Amino acid sequence: EAGVAQSPRYKIIEKRQSVAFWCNPISGHATLYWYQQILGQGPKLLIQFQNNGVVDDSQLPKDRFSAERLKGVDSTLKIQPAKLEDSAVYLCASSLNSVSNEQFFGPGTRLTVL
Amino acid sequence: AQRVTQPEKLLSVFKGAPVELKCNYSYSGSPELFWYVQYSRQRLQLLLRHISRESIKGFTADLNKGETSFHLKKPFAQEEDSAMYYCALTGSARQLTFGSGTQLTVLP
Repeated sequence: EAGVAQSPRYKIIEKRQSVAFWCNPISGHATLYWYQQILGQGPKLLIQFQNNGVVDDSQLPKDRFSAERLKGVDSTLKIQPAKLEDSAVYLCASSLNSVSNEQFFGPGTRLTVL
Repeated sequence: AQRVTQPEKLLSVFKGAPVELKCNYSYSGSPELFWYVQYSRQRLQLLLRHISRESIKGFTADLNKGETSFHLKKPFAQEEDSAMYYCALTGSARQLTFGSGTQLTVLP
């Protein structure tokens, strides 16, 4: 079974630049999550999608972060403009539905903002 | 608000020794508790959940509502248990809140 795919795996940008991350969840998984994991901390939920609708984006810094899942499958997370404190690993996860609590994680994208 | 605390960032034990990774939580309702593990160069993956009440790779965890704890235990640690362990909970909103993790090193 193919797992959650993410790209790129690594990205280095300068502050004030823009960056986008892509996630392809496990086939058939309706719920998709984006997490931010800062070094030394646990993952923090940024946004949760159920199919192509947003369930919760209360912790997403909406002045610079945006995310979409237009067709209810793939998702992109964008940061524009990036700040130094955005340096982190961005994890995508999916689950069968919002009731199922087993989330399957992708390998993550490590972002460094210089 | 829900919160998960893992007081130990680093924990080292010798092979064959018992190991306990501590987890305390704060939540006003009835949470569901999990342990996730990340082995070196691998993805974060679910190890066990309290509702299953099962032992995975020799690990068990019991939910203690009185002490609001969900400590992870294994009687005899193995070198392959070396990994980063995260305790997490969900509440009524069904969203995971993670602790900051404990890096377990099992020494030969």
